[in-house]
Amino acid sequence: GDSVTQTEGLVTLTEGLPVMLNCTYQSTYSPFLFWYVQHLNEAPKLLLKSFTDNKRPEHQGFHATLHKSSSSFHLQKSSAQLSDSALYYCALTHNNAGAKLTFGGGTRLTVRP
Amino acid sequence: DAGVTQTPRHEVAEKGQTIILKCEPVSGHNDLFWYRQTKIQGLELLSYFRSKSLMEDGGAFKDRFKAEMLNSSFSTLKIQPTEPKDSAVYLCASSLAPGGNTEVFFGKGTRLTVV
Repeated sequence: GDSVTQTEGLVTLTEGLPVMLNCTYQSTYSPFLFWYVQHLNEAPKLLLKSFTDNKRPEHQGFHATLHKSSSSFHLQKSSAQLSDSALYYCALTHNNAGAKLTFGGGTRLTVRP
Repeated sequence: DAGVTQTPRHEVAEKGQTIILKCEPVSGHNDLFWYRQTKIQGLELLSYFRSKSLMEDGGAFKDRFKAEMLNSSFSTLKIQPTEPKDSAVYLCASSLAPGGNTEVFFGKGTRLTVV
């Protein structure tokens, strides 16, 4: 079956420092990878999704690159902002699963002044 | 456009009660999902509907959890009987099409506390 692993449950860092949240996956199919972000008391929202043509998706300063050789889709940002504090989920689907997402365990990012 | 609407936002139930959570997906969306969110387990799939047909219902949740789609614009999740371990946030989500590269939209969730 499909699985997604996020190794860090909690990440705390200081404003202005770079962010990297890890995501690795396993799937027997060619996957689509996503990052969802959930701010406190809000709905999870799509942050980024992988492209099929190796473009690097970017949004709100975040970017991620799908590396099929290492089965990874790490989320990065060059400079963290206080407003980035949130819960981040990496998720996977494929054409055989329709829109059904398999989620990682989530990483809570806290950015301090 | 309205997003995914879930009601109530908060629910407190006594152990053994029956509760019903409600969800209205984004208008025109064909796929609907129910997820349970906890700090320990993260997001767990409870049910998946495509065009009102049940495609999957999470094996571990079958005995006391029942999701239904009465029409294309309304779904319910019934928990019967509730247990304290059911305390969690229940998220409803919808998607326009079953393609793997389709965005899924989530509601804000219902926070259930079972005492």
